[in-house]
Amino acid sequence: EAQVTQNPRYLITVTGKKLTVTCSQNMNHEYMSWYRQDPGLGLRQIYYSMNVEVTDKGDVPEGYKVSRKEKRNFPLILESPSPNQTSLYFCASSSGRAPGNEQFFGPGTRLTVL
Amino acid sequence: GNSVTQMEGPVTLSEEAFLTINCTYTATGYPSLFWYVQYPGEGLQLLLKATKADDKGSNKGFEATYRKETTSFHLEKGSVQVSDSAVYFCALNDYKLSFGAGTTVTVRA
Repeated sequence: EAQVTQNPRYLITVTGKKLTVTCSQNMNHEYMSWYRQDPGLGLRQIYYSMNVEVTDKGDVPEGYKVSRKEKRNFPLILESPSPNQTSLYFCASSSGRAPGNEQFFGPGTRLTVL
Repeated sequence: GNSVTQMEGPVTLSEEAFLTINCTYTATGYPSLFWYVQYPGEGLQLLLKATKADDKGSNKGFEATYRKETTSFHLEKGSVQVSDSAVYFCALNDYKLSFGAGTTVTVRA
């Protein structure tokens, strides 16, 4: 089954404790991205990757890091989480960045930073 | 920059009612337009899309027409069901995906 998986689905942590949210896709997609969803703001892009070892900032990259060492994986790293990073996070992938391409989303990770 | 504005919710309807969610956009290029749906506890999934002006996207009884003259992509369904309860997002992609704020729709039996 074609899918994007994320782990963990739920995470409660404390300020300053480094964490990683994993993302993996099995569709051989080149393009992957991370979004955060906040009430009234829709989804905002954090980082994206056009291919292995190619990453770039989205609209809200502050406080986040990413890496793309393998085509299928795109982990999101919070080196020192803060309460304003409490949010619902989605990983997505697509076959490319062209306007007509459908994005495939993971199930989401709900993060709470105390 | 590009932006998407969709009607605020929440929207509450009875089964078999007509649903319309307004979406307008601002873009400098020639974007593709999408409606994504998010069911409770799940990620977003594509509902329908249109890639050029006057295209109509349709799926599961939902329809939306890409209107360049009014920069709109309104979502409609003629007869909603309880299973249509979800959050609906309008989005545009002009080599960068931009989302609206989302509209929560609740359909009551």
